[in-house]
Amino acid sequence: QSALTQPASVSGSPGQSITISCTGTNSDVGSYNLVSWYQRHPGKAPKLMIYEVSKRPSGVSNRFSGSKSGNTASLTISGLQAEDEAEYYCCSYAVINTLIFGGGTKLTVL
Amino acid sequence: QVQLQESGPGLVKPSETLSLTCTVTGGSIKSSYWNWMRQSPGKGLEWLGHIHYTGSTEYNPSLKSRVTMSVDTSKNQFSLKMNSVTAADTAVYYCGSGESDLWLDHWGQGTLVTVSS
Repeated sequence: QSALTQPASVSGSPGQSITISCTGTNSDVGSYNLVSWYQRHPGKAPKLMIYEVSKRPSGVSNRFSGSKSGNTASLTISGLQAEDEAEYYCCSYAVINTLIFGGGTKLTVL
Repeated sequence: QVQLQESGPGLVKPSETLSLTCTVTGGSIKSSYWNWMRQSPGKGLEWLGHIHYTGSTEYNPSLKSRVTMSVDTSKNQFSLKMNSVTAADTAVYYCGSGESDLWLDHWGQGTLVTVSS
């Protein structure tokens, strides 16, 4: 099982929108609408931002949205804010009852 | 609000067994799925497996032969044991929980475990 593929880094200016991609295979992302996204600030516990591709947990800003097309899921952050600077990880349910994560994307707010 | 805290030795010798505990506060362990993940230096996150409070488990197939998870409902804790460790098992280990076994609602801050003699 290979990790999901994410860009190592993305950047954007305050107020802009950015999208982070997460590419898997027909055995994970492509077969299930069970992609989740996590935000991790240095030294802090990761935080669930999106689950089931596009659902937001209570308390997560509606600036965060998720989508999926084929084997690729995406996380979009609109109205970028300085506090959004963090690492983001995607995760998908995969065959054989496992979870598989992406390599992580470092978001820099310029 | 559920909070999770990992604890255990930060240094383990090669070939020995890594043992970590996750303490759950702000909620009961008699619900949810209780997971372990890790992140090796320079790599992404890796899911190690989960245990339900009833004791049922699912492990990452790549580590299944070396990993055992358990739950102690009396202490509101769950644990990870990984045997025959090597330097490749050096990582930050995270515990996490989810109402579903399909995503993680809560995470601990992680604990670094180094495998070295």
